[in-house]
Amino acid sequence: AQSVTQPDIHITVSEGASLELRCNYSYGATPYLFWYVQSPGQGLQLLLKYFSGDTLVQGIKGFEAEFKRSQSSFNLRKPSVHWSDAAEYFCAVGPSGGSYIPTFGRGTSLIVHP
Amino acid sequence: DAMVIQNPRYQVTQFGKPVTLSCSQTLNHNVMYWYQQKSSQAPKLLFHYYDKDFNNEADTPDNFQSRRPNTSFCFLDIRSPGLGDAAMYLCATSRKQVTPGEQFFGPGTRLTVL
Repeated sequence: AQSVTQPDIHITVSEGASLELRCNYSYGATPYLFWYVQSPGQGLQLLLKYFSGDTLVQGIKGFEAEFKRSQSSFNLRKPSVHWSDAAEYFCAVGPSGGSYIPTFGRGTSLIVHP
Repeated sequence: DAMVIQNPRYQVTQFGKPVTLSCSQTLNHNVMYWYQQKSSQAPKLLFHYYDKDFNNEADTPDNFQSRRPNTSFCFLDIRSPGLGDAAMYLCATSRKQVTPGEQFFGPGTRLTVL
């Protein structure tokens, strides 16, 4: 069965610093991978997705993620964090077999200090 | 803009008093989902519709029901809310055939049970 691990429950960074959020997955084939962001009191918004092709994926709001098959990872990065990036971030792995339902990680809460 | 809309954004109900949450979409997606999300947790899938076919998760309490009268609308009925049902309820949509696993979320309804 597919699974997603986000090892960090909380990450604290200073505004302007770089950011990397970790995501590891377990999946039987080439996965579909997603990063979502959830601001307080809001729904989830898709930041970026990987289906195939270039392993470095650009997303919205200046985020990028790199798919590394050898490490089963899909880490999210941003070179300079803004205070408005404070939110919950969820990694998800796409469905397998005949399913169409993704599996979400437990989320990482990003705290940004001024 | 095409979107997923949830009403109301905030719902307060009394213990045991039935409540209905609504979701509508202008994306013309064939799959609609209801998730329950408690504080600092990942969304938990309650059920979903693939077109008119209803799919209930095995651990979704009988207290939760859903209706999808047409492609655009989906409702979540909580027949007798308990204190443990207080949560954020998220509606999401997807197109199974086009982008497996990619979901589009509404802003959520925050349910308070008194």
